Amino acid sequence: AQKVTQAQTEISVVEKEDVTLDCVYETRDTTYYLFWYKQPPSGELVFLIRRNSFDEQNEISGRYSWNFQKSTSSFNFTITASQVVDSAVYFCALTPNTGNQFYFGTGTSLTVIP
Amino acid sequence: GAVVSQHPSWVICKSGTSVKIECRSLDFQATTMFWYRQFPKQSLMLMATSNEGSKATYEQGVEKDKFLINHASLTLSTLTVTSAHPEDSSFYICSATSGSLYNEQFFGPGTRLTVL
Repeated sequence: AQKVTQAQTEISVVEKEDVTLDCVYETRDTTYYLFWYKQPPSGELVFLIRRNSFDEQNEISGRYSWNFQKSTSSFNFTITASQVVDSAVYFCALTPNTGNQFYFGTGTSLTVIP
Repeated sequence: GAVVSQHPSWVICKSGTSVKIECRSLDFQATTMFWYRQFPKQSLMLMATSNEGSKATYEQGVEKDKFLINHASLTLSTLTVTSAHPEDSSFYICSATSGSLYNEQFFGPGTRLTVL
């Protein structure tokens, strides 16, 4: 069974604070891919990152960074020095290698207060 | 590259009418397309998976006679909501994959359906 859990439903931070969005996943596949998407109020999903199960290196892209820990089945997302434009719903997703189906978490709504 | 479009971006219709939503892959051939539904403040729920030239596979609880999916070509899939009712009001998102190595899906911008 595949499952993605985003325990944080809503988070509010003040601008310039750092914030970490948690993602925990379950899968029996040894090969799988993890994704993060941003969904602003317009509704369109914005791709942020893809990570395969064999690559546990952490990644940094500007103010965004991701921490992938297979030992704890977590793929957390950190925004440093948050900005108002970061306000959106963020989804973590899993797709097993055995198919194309995406399994989405329930999303975390981030509000950055100016 | 890898752009997926949806049309219309929003639609308002009367209860009992049918609405067709188009999903197109603009710069790649989509071997598989997916249709999702998203209610306010909820996650994306997969409705069905369609492969070009074959019948769609519906998720449990999704009425195939109500949500008609046609994937007639490698660049176009359509979702028709038949006899729409207010409870069908939702945000419908399609995605497409070319069967790439990374299992990546490319998402359309979504269609907001409001049934009066």
